[in-house]
Amino acid sequence: DVKVTQSSRYLVKRTGEKVFLECVQDMDHENMFWYRQDPGLGLRLIYFSYDVKMKEKGDIPEGYSVSREKKERFSLILESASTNQTSMYLCASRAGSHGYTFGSGTRLTVV
Amino acid sequence: KNEVEQSPQNLTAQEGEFITINCSYSVGISALHWLQQHPGGGIVSLFMLSSGKKKHGRLIATINIQEKHSSLHITASHPRDSAVYICAVREAGNQFYFGTGTSLTVIP
Repeated sequence: DVKVTQSSRYLVKRTGEKVFLECVQDMDHENMFWYRQDPGLGLRLIYFSYDVKMKEKGDIPEGYSVSREKKERFSLILESASTNQTSMYLCASRAGSHGYTFGSGTRLTVV
Repeated sequence: KNEVEQSPQNLTAQEGEFITINCSYSVGISALHWLQQHPGGGIVSLFMLSSGKKKHGRLIATINIQEKHSSLHITASHPRDSAVYICAVREAGNQFYFGTGTSLTVIP
């Protein structure tokens, strides 16, 4: 089975901190995605990547950046965390036109 | 404007009841997915379908492409079915759109 692993389940950071959320997948998928999930808003796409060193903005990229130096790893970076970035962050990977495989999520609280 | 609308938003059922969750979408799609998210946050893919009907255990998913509508049914519901169910559609251009989810609680 494909596995998508997010490094932290729960994270508490202070306003202004630089935050790294790590995601690793083990099935050589080309496509990787970062979403945030907020009550009443569903899943919203932050950034995605179709290949190593390639990144594309999603619907809500402001305040975030990403890094994909290796195929299996896709990192989401909050350059200067703010309280409105408190959310559940979900990483997903996908091979071609197949369905998603999601990580277990990281619940980030910015205080 | 939401490309994907789900109903109901919240649903409480007694154990054993037959449950239906509906999903309507407004874009042309190549596939529709039903996802399940448990309270811990992890999401699993239940179904991917582009026509007709699929069944897995007590879960049944149907889609009507002409009406742009899909339903997820749960027969003989059980408390362990309590979760958020999310409908997602893949547009022809590979863009994904997600519904806001239906929160299901099954009471023993």
